[in-house]
Amino acid sequence: ILNVEQSPQSLHVQEGDSTNFTCSFPSSNFYALHWYRWETAKSPEALFVMTLNGDEKKKGRISATLNTKEGYSYLYIKGSQPEDSATYLCATRTMRFGAGTRLTVKP
Amino acid sequence: DAMVIQNPRYQVTQFGKPVTLSCSQTLNHNVMYWYQQKSSQAPKLLFHYYDKDFNNEADTPDNFQSRRPNTSFCFLDIRSPGLGDTAMYLCATSRQAGEQFFGPGTRLTVL
Repeated sequence: ILNVEQSPQSLHVQEGDSTNFTCSFPSSNFYALHWYRWETAKSPEALFVMTLNGDEKKKGRISATLNTKEGYSYLYIKGSQPEDSATYLCATRTMRFGAGTRLTVKP
Repeated sequence: DAMVIQNPRYQVTQFGKPVTLSCSQTLNHNVMYWYQQKSSQAPKLLFHYYDKDFNNEADTPDNFQSRRPNTSFCFLDIRSPGLGDTAMYLCATSRQAGEQFFGPGTRLTVL
């Protein structure tokens, strides 16, 4: 993988559903992976910075895992709420971003 | 609250008419970044300042210039905007190469 890729591009879930999406990145010369949450009309907001293989980070109902050897990270949201609706971006330390996963949570 | 501010939030300009976008920060971060994001695409780094050192990405068009007169302010100048420059422009700051703090963006439309 040469670029940062995110899947799916968009996701629609019902309130209360748990969901997850993927960020794939070049595994060579890995230093750090950043996750951001970007609500419409607001600034992207940092969620996690992940550096260690096997790392798992959690913030409330949102958690993320990291596999640096195979070059992927998962973001999980447990019990999605409408306020979780946003675009979730990942980026490498060299500031290569994925195109994001746009999450819509329906009440 | 310390923050990253971008002005204007929305800008409409005509094809070929120079435009300047502004970014200011109260975080006293030494690194400032400009990104371009076109619809449904990944934000693309245009350039960044590490202190006063300017770092241009290899594929940033010459049409795009930047100035950083002091720690707090950074400007993006588009000398002759084309229709393809219609995009969201994001400014971000960081301390060293750490976590980035973003402004809300300027949505530029070139007619």
